[in-house]
Amino acid sequence: AQSVSQHNHHVILSEAASLELGCNYSYGGTVNLFWYVQYPGQHLQLLLKYFSGDPLVKGIKGFEAEFIKSKFSFNLRKPSVQWSDTAEYFCAVIFNDYKLSFGAGTTVTVRA
Amino acid sequence: NAGVTQTPKFQVLKTGQSMTLQCAQDMNHEYMSWYRQDPGMGLRLIHYSVGAGITDQGEVPNGYNVSRSTTEDFPLRLLSAAPSQTSVYFCASSAPGWPGYTFGSGTRLTVV
Repeated sequence: AQSVSQHNHHVILSEAASLELGCNYSYGGTVNLFWYVQYPGQHLQLLLKYFSGDPLVKGIKGFEAEFIKSKFSFNLRKPSVQWSDTAEYFCAVIFNDYKLSFGAGTTVTVRA
Repeated sequence: NAGVTQTPKFQVLKTGQSMTLQCAQDMNHEYMSWYRQDPGMGLRLIHYSVGAGITDQGEVPNGYNVSRSTTEDFPLRLLSAAPSQTSVYFCASSAPGWPGYTFGSGTRLTVV
């Protein structure tokens, strides 16, 4: 069955630390990949997306993600986090249709 | 351009009551979806639609009903509310070639 897995449930960092959140999916075909962010009390916002082309994609707020097809992974990174990056982060995948499937989410807490 | 509008933002229901969560989009998107968000489980797809008059079930459809009479509107009906339906509900829309789904601000539903 097609699924999306996020490795970490909760990550706690200090400001200026680097962040990497893991995401894997189970499907051998063509996929469209997304990372969404949800700030406390708010709705989901698109951070970045990958459809095709350069596997290293850059998004908003200094985030980037790398698609590694051989590993079925789409990990999110930010070199230096800020307190304002405290949020929940969701990896999402469109498999062979138009339905968007989500991972369970990773809560990121950045300590000042 | 309002995007995806959900009403109400908050609702408390008694067990057994019925209600309709409203969702409207003004982007002429063909695809619309309803998700519920529960802690530790990410977002799970309830129902989705690929156009007016066409709907289908997602992962967790039981206890919910939808219809799509127009492109703009995609209401979600709770037939007989149960405490297990306490959740935050998000509506989302997209179109072929659009870079991901756009989400509404959510409805927080409590069933007592």
